[in-house]
Amino acid sequence: EDQVTQSPEALRLQEGESSSLNCSYTVSGLRGLFWYRQDPGKGPEFLFTLYSAGEEKEKERLKATLTKKESFLHITAPKPEDSATYLCAVQFSGGGADGLTFGKGTHLIIQP
Amino acid sequence: DSGVTQTPKHLITATGQRVTLRCSPRSGDLSVYWYQQSLDQGLQFLIQYYNGEERAKGNILERFSAQQFPDLHSELNLSSLELGDSALYFCASSADRANQPQHFGDGTRLSIL
Repeated sequence: EDQVTQSPEALRLQEGESSSLNCSYTVSGLRGLFWYRQDPGKGPEFLFTLYSAGEEKEKERLKATLTKKESFLHITAPKPEDSATYLCAVQFSGGGADGLTFGKGTHLIIQP
Repeated sequence: DSGVTQTPKHLITATGQRVTLRCSPRSGDLSVYWYQQSLDQGLQFLIQYYNGEERAKGNILERFSAQQFPDLHSELNLSSLELGDSALYFCASSADRANQPQHFGDGTRLSIL
């Protein structure tokens, strides 16, 4: 069964303390891996798409990387406004067409 | 602002009732997706429409149905509602090319009393 697992479930960091979030997946034929940020009461906000192993994308303090079995979201010198739930999702070649399979997310808190 | 509009924002109803959730996709997007988000299950894909035609089904119950109209807006119909249907329902849209990112609306919070 195609699965997406995110770790840790929750992470509390001090402002400026860099860390990484993990997304591991077991899918038969990855078409794309997506990172989203979700704030309370809002819909997921698109951050990055990664398509092949070795690919990297950056945006401000965030950097996403992809290997054959997992992706990392690196957060460098985070600020309190980076506090959110970060969701990883995959799109695979199975019967779900373009529907995304989501992990349960990492709830990130950045303390000033 | 993602450009995806969902109405209503909140809906409170009783068991056994039927409701309709509405979604307007981003301008130019042909694909519309519906997802359900609950505390224990996370975000689950329900159904996809592309340019008016059903393209794929995920974990959608038989009591639920959807359609996409010629102007590309979509509606999700939920009937014979049960307490367990209480959740956030999100709509997302994407451009017509494969592997394009999906952009989400802010959801409809459905509460069943």
